[in-house]
Amino acid sequence: NAGVTQTPKFRILKIGQSMTLQCAQDMNHNYMYWYRQDPGMGLKLIYYSVGAGITDKGEVPNGYNVSRSTTEDFPLRLELAAPSQTSVYFCASSLGQGVANVLTFGAGSRLTVL
Amino acid sequence: EDKVVQSPLSLVVHEGDTVTLNCSYEVTNFRSLLWYKQEKKAPTFLFMLTSSGIEKKSGRLSSILDKKELFSILNITATQTGDSAIYLCAVRRGSRLTFGEGTQLTVNP
Repeated sequence: NAGVTQTPKFRILKIGQSMTLQCAQDMNHNYMYWYRQDPGMGLKLIYYSVGAGITDKGEVPNGYNVSRSTTEDFPLRLELAAPSQTSVYFCASSLGQGVANVLTFGAGSRLTVL
Repeated sequence: EDKVVQSPLSLVVHEGDTVTLNCSYEVTNFRSLLWYKQEKKAPTFLFMLTSSGIEKKSGRLSSILDKKELFSILNITATQTGDSAIYLCAVRRGSRLTFGEGTQLTVNP
């Protein structure tokens, strides 16, 4: 059981480049999330999804896009990368709400924009 | 806008000390409060609290929620160097989970 898998683990981008962070879960979880964590800080919600075909903005969505075409996958797209997007990105999933709402996190993707 | 505030932001103690970490929140339609421990990688789940006054306990860690005063505390007794980590508090409203800034705990031998 792989849980939540994120790729790549590390990436360096130049300003203005684009890329997609991949996230896949094999637990049949309905809810999926993207967070970013800057050094010494907590997690900020970028986007989330409550099921295939449904996405919603979190606290810091600007500069990012997501899609949820399947239950398993929730890719995060960065368009026109900026130094302010240098961060560690975590994907997470949960079965639903109530007692099933504990998040399972991926290992994180460290992105540097130069 | 949902707000989760943790204090202190950092704390340095000696092995054997007892620590109390605080989390206050302003969230409409509160569903639950969760505590996570983050070492070098992804956060790992500690506790989920939904009802006031009921202590959750796991070994040397315990936590309690006060829904009237809108806060929670996480206690760690007899701290060990392995407790050094960032402790994150998160509050759920509907399908959204909002995190606080975290408390960086350092336990020195």
